[in-house]
Amino acid sequence: DTEVTQTPKHLVMGMTNKKSLKCEQHMGHRAMYWYKQKAKKPPELMFVYSYEKLSINESVPSRFSPECPNSSLLNLHLHALQPEDSALYLCASSQGSLRAANQPQHFGDGTRLSIL
Amino acid sequence: AQSVAQPEDQVNVAEGNPLTVKCTYSVSGNPYLFWYVQYPNRGLQFLLKYITGDNLVKGSYGFEAEFNKSQTSFHLKKPSALVSDSALYFCAVRVFGNNRLAFGKGNQVVVIP
Repeated sequence: DTEVTQTPKHLVMGMTNKKSLKCEQHMGHRAMYWYKQKAKKPPELMFVYSYEKLSINESVPSRFSPECPNSSLLNLHLHALQPEDSALYLCASSQGSLRAANQPQHFGDGTRLSIL
Repeated sequence: AQSVAQPEDQVNVAEGNPLTVKCTYSVSGNPYLFWYVQYPNRGLQFLLKYITGDNLVKGSYGFEAEFNKSQTSFHLKKPSALVSDSALYFCAVRVFGNNRLAFGKGNQVVVIP
């Protein structure tokens, strides 16, 4: 069992829909991440939150909107997505300090997103 | 900039034989190196890491990795592969003060019964 929980596991949505992906961790980590992963490819970083503040946005289109309501929760709001956005979306967490770069990121099992 | 190279696309090995998955890295400064494994329809699972000290690092499920600074390599090894080791393996590197984790392209490992 993973310590990072993502819901839903699967999501099918049309290009005009609005939906949200959710991620939760209770390891006391203060850094949380969103990644996009295509099949058989490495994860691509989208956003990083450090101590509930957005610290990295990898030039992600505005149809993806992240939110970090508290230190345990991370959301990704989706609106007007395109077919090429179909992918596995992974959430991860790690100790928050930049001094903790030697600590691993812990990943959830992801949300499989399909855009019709 | 930090980067990782995993030169092979797929590694095929017979069950019971030694398994090696290769990784080389490029960073400015001292690297923190990680190996992750991904099974179908799952997220990435942490296997092991190198921070400093002993060049041979032991991790989960019988895996180990050897850090070689002169060759800038961090190859993953397992003495005797199992069919259940068939999965996608990612090497990753990070440096002090950087929240980004740079991944290699991944290696599909196929263990043949």
